[in-house]
Amino acid sequence: GNSVTQMEGPVTLSEEAFLTINCTYTATGYPSLFWYVQYPGEGLQLLLKATKADDKGSNKGFEATYRKETTSFHLEKGSVQVSDSAVYFCALSDLPNTGNQFYFGTGTSLTVIP
Amino acid sequence: ETGVTQTPRHLVMGMTNKKSLKCEQHLGHNAMYWYKQSAKKPLELMFVYNFKEQTENNSVPSRFSPECPNSSHLFLHLHTLQPEDSALYLCASSQEGVSFTGELFFGEGSRLTVL
Repeated sequence: GNSVTQMEGPVTLSEEAFLTINCTYTATGYPSLFWYVQYPGEGLQLLLKATKADDKGSNKGFEATYRKETTSFHLEKGSVQVSDSAVYFCALSDLPNTGNQFYFGTGTSLTVIP
Repeated sequence: ETGVTQTPRHLVMGMTNKKSLKCEQHLGHNAMYWYKQSAKKPLELMFVYNFKEQTENNSVPSRFSPECPNSSHLFLHLHTLQPEDSALYLCASSQEGVSFTGELFFGEGSRLTVL
């Protein structure tokens, strides 16, 4: 079956530190991979995505590369800011034209301190 | 502002109450979803409606009853809930088919507490 495993938090970093949040997946087909972010008091919103192996998704300084050989999609940012404090969710979808089968991880809470 | 509005934002109810959660999307999407978000668990997909027809019901207890009167509105009717049903309930929408971008648009959620 399909599933997503991401590192447990919470993660606390100082401003300008390097961020990595690990995500690995299990899928029966060729899924698309996503990172969603949930800021305090808000719903989830798409941060970045990659639809095939070796694709790199990027947005707002965050990056993640679709690694089929290691079934991973780790989220990275070179220099975090206080405003990056949020919960980050890794997700996969194995159907190309529908959101009916999204599989989300448990979320990783990030707190960035000044 | 994501274009998906949920009300109420917070709800406290007893186990014998009947209440409803409401979701409205202003994006012209053709699919709407209910998710349950509990601490330390993956988001759980509860129900999916495509073009007002229910296409997914992931073994959700009958005390949760969805209703989709049109493609812009989605309700979750709650009846005889248990304390373990306390969670954040998220509504989402998307445009299915060849226009699907891979993005779900979420509301801010309804925080439910069952006493």
